Amino acid sequence: KAGVTQTPRYLIKTRGQQVTLSCSPISGHRSVSWYQQTPGQGLQFLFEYFSETQRNKGNFPGRFSGRQFSNSRSEMNVSTLELGDSALYLCASSYLDSRDTQYFGPGTRLTVL
Amino acid sequence: AQKVTQAQTEISVVEKEDVTLDCVYETRDTTYYLFWYKQPPSGELVFLIRRNSFDEQNEISGRYSWNFQKSTSSFNFTITASQVVDSAVYFCALSEARVSGAGSYQLTFGKGTKLSVIP
Repeated sequence: KAGVTQTPRYLIKTRGQQVTLSCSPISGHRSVSWYQQTPGQGLQFLFEYFSETQRNKGNFPGRFSGRQFSNSRSEMNVSTLELGDSALYLCASSYLDSRDTQYFGPGTRLTVL
Repeated sequence: AQKVTQAQTEISVVEKEDVTLDCVYETRDTTYYLFWYKQPPSGELVFLIRRNSFDEQNEISGRYSWNFQKSTSSFNFTITASQVVDSAVYFCALSEARVSGAGSYQLTFGKGTKLSVIP
């Protein structure tokens, strides 16, 4: 099976812009989760989608949003970018939920200037 | 709230030495799941092991072994005869039910332990 794929791998944006990141889960996986990784805060949970519905959300401002499509592919969007949004954004997929093993994609490295 | 503590921020060992990475967790649930992931410099998190709270049997996979002790809420990871390729950041993670409802689970990660294996 193909693994989790994320596009793009690298992004450079300026403050105030918005960005959309994409994630394609492993075939057959219905749960997609997003994480933000920074040197200071470590790996933090953003949100989880299942069957096109947001099932869980972490403690992030409303500027962070996402969605899931009927084929389980997911996108996350960050509006009005801030310098502090510079991070590695990781997507993970699992069969049903986080009790199952989550398999991670290579991540998108976002730099906000 | 669930919490995962990896007290060792960085560890350096000489190749062929054994090394143990510590993980201590806190949870209010009797049913939960524990994981270890490896993050090499490339950035991708690589799954190593999953263990549920009812299975306290230790596991060995090649040079890797895991010691799960519910009595001390620990899930430690040992690498035997370490190799340079083992150099990475290792994360311990806990999944338990959120308060917010049925089917709602969240994975919480520790801060990670950076392992450097020196040739």
